[in-house]
Amino acid sequence: GAGVSQTPSNKVTEKGKYVELRCDPISGHTALYWYRQSLGQGPEFLIYFQGTGAADDSGLPNDRFFAVRPEGSVSTLKIQRTERGDSAVYLCASSQTSGATYEQYFGPGTRLTVT
Amino acid sequence: AQSVTQLDSQVPVFEEAPVELRCNYSSSVSVYLFWYVQYPNQGLQLLLKYLSGSTLVKGINGFEAEFNKSQTSFHLRKPSVHISDTAEYFCAVRNQAGTALIFGKGTTLSVSS
Repeated sequence: GAGVSQTPSNKVTEKGKYVELRCDPISGHTALYWYRQSLGQGPEFLIYFQGTGAADDSGLPNDRFFAVRPEGSVSTLKIQRTERGDSAVYLCASSQTSGATYEQYFGPGTRLTVT
Repeated sequence: AQSVTQLDSQVPVFEEAPVELRCNYSSSVSVYLFWYVQYPNQGLQLLLKYLSGSTLVKGINGFEAEFNKSQTSFHLRKPSVHISDTAEYFCAVRNQAGTALIFGKGTTLSVSS
C-alpha cells in the first residue's frame, strides 16, 4: 500500500515568507508526527497528533511554527516569517495508534531552503 | 530526560566485513530503543526495536542489536556487510511522555569493495 507522502519535496522561499508543508499519512493511522532534520543531525521532534488534536507540541521551536490536522488524516505544518535557520528537512511520520512504541513510518521529507 | 549518543559519526568498512555501530542512551524510566536506517533520498526505515524481553533483538537485512542495561548501550551489529548497506543509521529512544522518538546524530556507514 501507499506509504507516507509529503509535498512538496523541495521548497525554496525567501526570508520572511510564509510556507506550508503537507503530510499524507498511511490510511488508518491515527498518530502523526512531525520532525525536523538539520544537516548532520538526527531528526528532532516537533509535534505529535492523536487524531485531530495536538497531543504534544513541546518540540515546536517558537510561535512561528504551527501545525493542524483538521480531519484526523492530512496534516499541514505552517511556518510564518521564515528565517534562514529554518532551513532543514521536515519529516512526517505516522503510526497505527498512539505511543512511540509503535513503529513510526516516515515519509521522504520536504527540504526547505530559506534564502 | 532521555538522550542518545552515537559514538561514531562515520564508519568505513570493506564488503563482507563485520560491523558494529555504537549507541549509548540515557533514560530515567523504562527504555524503548530503536534503530532506523536512511538510504540516500529516502525516508527513515525501522531496522529493529527493543521494547522488553530478550536483550538480543533481530531486525531486517541481517542486523541485530543487544540491549545492555548495565552499560546503557544498544549497539547495532551485522556479521557481514554488503555494498547496499551503505546508509545513515540512527539510534533512537522513546521520550518519557511516550509521544515521540529522540534520535542520535547518526552514523554514516560506508561499505566499499
